[in-house]
Parts: sequence; C-alpha cells; structure tokens
Amino acid sequence: DGGITQSPKYLFRKEGQNVTLSCEQNLNHDAMYWYRQDPGQGLRLIYYSQIVNDFQKGDIAEGYSVSREKKESFPLTVTSAQKNPTAFYLCACGTGPDEAFFGQGTRLTVV
Amino acid sequence: RKEVEQDPGPFNVPEGATVAFNCTYSNSASQSFFWYRQDCRKEPKLLMSVYSSGNEDGRFTAQLNRASQYISLLIRDSKLSDSATYLCVVNLYYGGSQGNLIFGKGTKLSVKP
Repeated sequence: DGGITQSPKYLFRKEGQNVTLSCEQNLNHDAMYWYRQDPGQGLRLIYYSQIVNDFQKGDIAEGYSVSREKKESFPLTVTSAQKNPTAFYLCACGTGPDEAFFGQGTRLTVV
Repeated sequence: RKEVEQDPGPFNVPEGATVAFNCTYSNSASQSFFWYRQDCRKEPKLLMSVYSSGNEDGRFTAQLNRASQYISLLIRDSKLSDSATYLCVVNLYYGGSQGNLIFGKGTKLSVKP
C-alpha cells in the first residue's frame, strides 16, 4: 500500500543534541513538507521541497535543517540551535493543487 | 489579516445536533480548498475537498464562496465520534508540482451524549 511513514513515533532529545526525524513516502509525490504543531496550536511550516536537491524555508526554519537527496525521502534535523524543540512534528506530501497526505507524526521531547 | 481564519471554538454540542464551521481566506488566488479532521495527538486526515458547486458526503456538506472568500462545513446529526478538531486548508497553487498549503488553526468540536 502507498503511504507516507514517519519514524520514530516518539523521540527524546537531550539538551544540545541534534536529532533527525525520518519521513519516507511511496506515493510518488513531488512536494514534501515539514510542519510543527504545539499543544492547542495550528500547524506551522518549517521547510518544504518540490524537487530533489531543492528545498525552501518555511515560516519557522531557524534551528532546523533538511535534505532531499531522493524523491521518496525528506529527513528533518532538529539542531541544538532550536531552543524549544518539544513539539509534534508532521511530515506531508502532495502534488500541485491536490490535497496533502500526512505521516503519523513524531512527538519530540527534550529531557 | 491572517491567511486562513477559523473560529477556534470549542463547539460543544449534543448528539444529533447540526453544527456549522466557517473559514475565511485572504488570498483570492487560492486554487483549491479542503477540510481536514485531526483527532487528539494524531495526524490530520482529509475529510473532504471543497468545490465551488458545493459537495456532500453523507452527513457532511462543504460549501465554497469564492466571491466572499469563505468556506463552510456543515455536520448534520452529529455523533460522538465526530469530536475532533476541523482544519480549513487552502492551496495557493502557482503551477508546477508544488502546492502551497495554508492551514487554519482549526475549530475544536466536542459532541456530548
């Protein structure tokens, strides 16, 4: 079955540590997105990519980095520069004017 | 003005009630429109696309008014299982492969017995 998969589901990060969140899709969608959601809040765009080896910053890119080496994969690294990383991270993919499909999300907690 | 605005709610309604959510968007170039449902601590899932002619899926009816830049979702005969947050989404599609999805903050619905 086609879909979009995020891993891990839960992630714990120590202060000052970089962590990478995985996002893989086999829906053959060109565009991929990373969003952050804080409790009781809406989705905020971190980064997006429309083609391999190209990506753009969203509204809250500081402290995050991404890569798009393959169409199927769009990993997000939360760096030590992100001072408040505890949140629910959602990856999505889509094409053109169509709807987006979301992964199940990664819940990141700083310990 | 925010790009996509929704009443945050919460809407607390009894089972069987009819409830309406409204959404306004600021960019008249918006190309496509959706309602998503998000359950607590889960990812958003597409509920329905919204077309200018209006569309219905069982108890759910979506309407789009491009002139007023307004989208609505009507839920009839609400069920306990309808309790969730409903997200209004517009896609500022400029061509090519990439959409530009803009999410509202969502309206929380709580259906009570």
